[in-house]
Amino acid sequence: KNEVEQSPQNLTAQEGEFITINCSYSVGISALHWLQQHPGGGIVSLFMLSSGKKKHGRLIATINIQEKHSSLHITASHPRDSAVYICAVNSGGGADGLTFGKGTHLIIQP
Amino acid sequence: DAGITQSPRHKVTETGTPVTLRCHQTENHRYMYWYRQDPGHGLRLIHYSYGVKDTDKGEVSDGYSVSRSKTEDFLLTLESATSSQTSVYFCAITPQADQPQHFGDGTRLSIL
Repeated sequence: KNEVEQSPQNLTAQEGEFITINCSYSVGISALHWLQQHPGGGIVSLFMLSSGKKKHGRLIATINIQEKHSSLHITASHPRDSAVYICAVNSGGGADGLTFGKGTHLIIQP
Repeated sequence: DAGITQSPRHKVTETGTPVTLRCHQTENHRYMYWYRQDPGHGLRLIHYSYGVKDTDKGEVSDGYSVSRSKTEDFLLTLESATSSQTSVYFCAITPQADQPQHFGDGTRLSIL
């Protein structure tokens, strides 16, 4: 069973700061996902990656397969970025569902 | 946005009663999943389906059964609900195993 660990669990920052959330996993994967969940809201897929780096707007996701580690970065953070960010992995061929970290609760203060 | 609807959105019921949650999709995606989300545990896979009548167990399948008689519907049944099954339940779909999953809005289930 893949163990997915995220850090930090909670993060409070000021608007404009550069944010980094980390994710590590214990067993080789076929893909890693970053998800976003706003309070009381649904879950949205931000990135799916199996190597290298992806960028979407102010969000950047990187993965190091050898080190079994991924990071999610937010540049020029804004209060609307406040949410829970969840790392998840496909361990097998991908069809058998995701294994999730417990999430990072991010608050961006104005 | 992916066409995925969960029903009901909220339900309160008593211990020992049967409960069925429905996930309906309009995307004709092959793969469908049921997850539960609990404080301190995060999201965990209950059951999944890779086609009509093809289902398999996930990490926390005890006390749950599923059925998929049509591509668009994936039903999750609690045969005899227990208080430990109080949770928020999410359905997710994806067209291929190596594609991102799209999540429904969730069902908040309380078992008293």
